[in-house]
Amino acid sequence: QQQVKQSPQSLIVQKGGIPIINCAYENTAFDYFPWYQQFPGKGPALLIAIRPDVSEKKEGRFTISFNKSAKQFSLHIMDSQPGDSATYFCAAGPSTGNQFYFGTGTSLTVIP
Amino acid sequence: DTAVSQTPKYLVTQMGNDKSIKCEQNLGHDTMYWYKQDSKKFLKIMFSYNNKELIINETVPNRFSPKSPDKAHLNLHINSLELGDSAVYFCASSSRQGASEQYFGPGTRLTVT
Repeated sequence: QQQVKQSPQSLIVQKGGIPIINCAYENTAFDYFPWYQQFPGKGPALLIAIRPDVSEKKEGRFTISFNKSAKQFSLHIMDSQPGDSATYFCAAGPSTGNQFYFGTGTSLTVIP
Repeated sequence: DTAVSQTPKYLVTQMGNDKSIKCEQNLGHDTMYWYKQDSKKFLKIMFSYNNKELIINETVPNRFSPKSPDKAHLNLHINSLELGDSAVYFCASSSRQGASEQYFGPGTRLTVT
């Protein structure tokens, strides 16, 4: 059973566009929601993370929006650049638990 | 200095062989993980160790055996390799369990022929 559902599977945008990646979870015990970025041939790396006490968090061009009642969260990339082309994973889990669960990944391509 | 390192980076072997992947972290972290990433890029946790103690053992064939000789090392030994074991295996570490940034190694691409 997939603990975290992620969509879309792939996304192509023009440079300067705002790609949006969506994730949903069911377990109300989850209270930690990180996003990881993975470039080809590399391991995933933490991009940004949010906890449910806020509805939005920004770090540079990356923004997480969080809707606790809907149990959904999303990643927005402002003014996307070709260098943002990568696979993005959302994840969710309980902050006091042993692990968090990854979504299935979104392959983003930003066309120059 | 590499925070989380894995060796080898590539591993090509035949079915039925036994192989090991080594992982070392120099971050002083207490928790280490092994993940499997399949051809569709799906990341699945396999094992988690905290202070050398096995914490998570997901539904993984018992042909896979992790070993943590100390907090900085978590090795993965695979017996009787099968075609379906072909994947990229990532080691990761974090300062603690749960809601903590995980630092991933560069991955080991295992190809079983």
